[in-house]
Amino acid sequence: AQSVTQLGSHVSVSEGALVLLRCNYSSSVPPYLFWYVQYPNQGLQLLLKYTTGATLVKGINGFEAEFKKSETSFHLTKPSAHMSDAAEYFCAVTRSGAGSYQLTFGKGTKLSVIP
Amino acid sequence: GAGVSQSPRYKVTKRGQDVALRCDPISGHVSLYWYRQALGQGPEFLTYFNYEAQQDKSGLPNDRFSAERPEGSISTLTIQRTEQRDSAMYRCASSIGTSAAYEQYFGPGTRLTVT
Repeated sequence: AQSVTQLGSHVSVSEGALVLLRCNYSSSVPPYLFWYVQYPNQGLQLLLKYTTGATLVKGINGFEAEFKKSETSFHLTKPSAHMSDAAEYFCAVTRSGAGSYQLTFGKGTKLSVIP
Repeated sequence: GAGVSQSPRYKVTKRGQDVALRCDPISGHVSLYWYRQALGQGPEFLTYFNYEAQQDKSGLPNDRFSAERPEGSISTLTIQRTEQRDSAMYRCASSIGTSAAYEQYFGPGTRLTVT
C-alpha cells in the first residue's frame, strides 16, 4: 500500500519569498513521485516528476523537488514566490514496475502569496 | 492539441437517479483513469482502463458504480441510484502509455451534486 502525507493544508508566503511545500510518502516498492498544481476551476497540471536517476528534479514555473529516500520525502521548492503561484498543490505517488499505475494523492496544500 | 474533456461540467441530480459522466481522452492515449475528489481532499482512484479493457476497478466504492470504455477511446462512468454521499468532483485522466513514468493528463472534472 502507498500513502502520501502533505504537512500543512494552508501555506502563506510573501511575494519574493521561498516556497517550501512538504511531502512525505510511504511505499513498499520503489516509488515514482509527482507534484501537481490545481488552479481554480481547472484540471490538475503536472509540475514535475521523479522516476529514476537524478534525485533533484526541475519542473515548470521555476519549481523543483528533491527525492530523499532516507527521509521518504519529496518536498517542493521555489526560490521566489510569484502571485501567479497561488493555487493548490498535490503530491502523488505511484508504484514502479508492472501493475495499475493509479496515483495516490495527498490531501493537498493551498498556497497563498501575499503581495 | 485538445486536452482531456469531460461532460457535463456540472450535474445536479436527485437522490435515487442514475447519472452518466463522460470522458474523452487525448487522441491516441491508451490508458484512462477515473478519480473522485471530495472537497478538501486529494483525488482518489476509482478505476483504470488499458485500451478497452478495465484492468483495475479496485477503487469503485460499491456496485452502484460502473465504468466502460467499449472502443478504447471515450469512457463513461455510471452511478446508479445516486446518494448524497456521491457528491464530489469526478476527474478523468489519460496517458499515452502503460508505464508509471508516463504523465497522466487530467480533464477539468465533472462536479456532481446529489440533492
